[in-house]
Amino acid sequence: DTAVSQTPKYLVTQMGNDKSIKCEQNLGHDTMYWYKQDSKKFLKIMFSYNNKELIINETVPNRFSPKSPDKAHLNLHINSLELGDSAVYFCASSYQAYNEQFFGPGTRLTVL
Amino acid sequence: EDQVTQSPEALRLQEGESSSLNCSYTVSGLRGLFWYRQDPGKGPEFLFTLYSAGEEKEKERLKATLTKKESFLHITAPKPEDSATYLCAVAGGGADGLTFGKGTHLIIQP
Repeated sequence: DTAVSQTPKYLVTQMGNDKSIKCEQNLGHDTMYWYKQDSKKFLKIMFSYNNKELIINETVPNRFSPKSPDKAHLNLHINSLELGDSAVYFCASSYQAYNEQFFGPGTRLTVL
Repeated sequence: EDQVTQSPEALRLQEGESSSLNCSYTVSGLRGLFWYRQDPGKGPEFLFTLYSAGEEKEKERLKATLTKKESFLHITAPKPEDSATYLCAVAGGGADGLTFGKGTHLIIQP
């Protein structure tokens, strides 16, 4: 009965590789998000997406791209990984843009 | 740009010792203020949404209040299981997700 799920839980990879993180929500929400939590535990929005609009935080490198195969899924693709990409990435969803968001368990990405 | 500042950064209390966490915010058109709890190694867990000044919400030992400039999370007679990082976030005029504060790390000692 998990509401927002992410895979994998842990991801360890080499610099320069391309990787993906998957997210699924079974709440019937219209909007999904990706956040990055850095080593100081600060959560920052990367993308928000519904079936009509993708909003990208301007500080996010274009190596990061969200892909949504359907309303319940929003995957995160990362190209040419860098050391600074190491962080915990959280997926979240909400009914509408200004409603409370529900978060997944996070994916800890380590780039070596 | 929306901004959220939480204080204190860390707080250590004895079991049963009540206290309050502060969240100050600046936002262009507040759409909602949210409180979350985050345990180590887990995602933020939703606690409350407040929409307008004067609004209050309660859940067990927690009570959240809102003014035009800040929100408080009051913890009454806390227990060790209340230990966690408490995050405050705002939704502003843009549809670009929540702006979070850096959190208050709360430790309740038995």
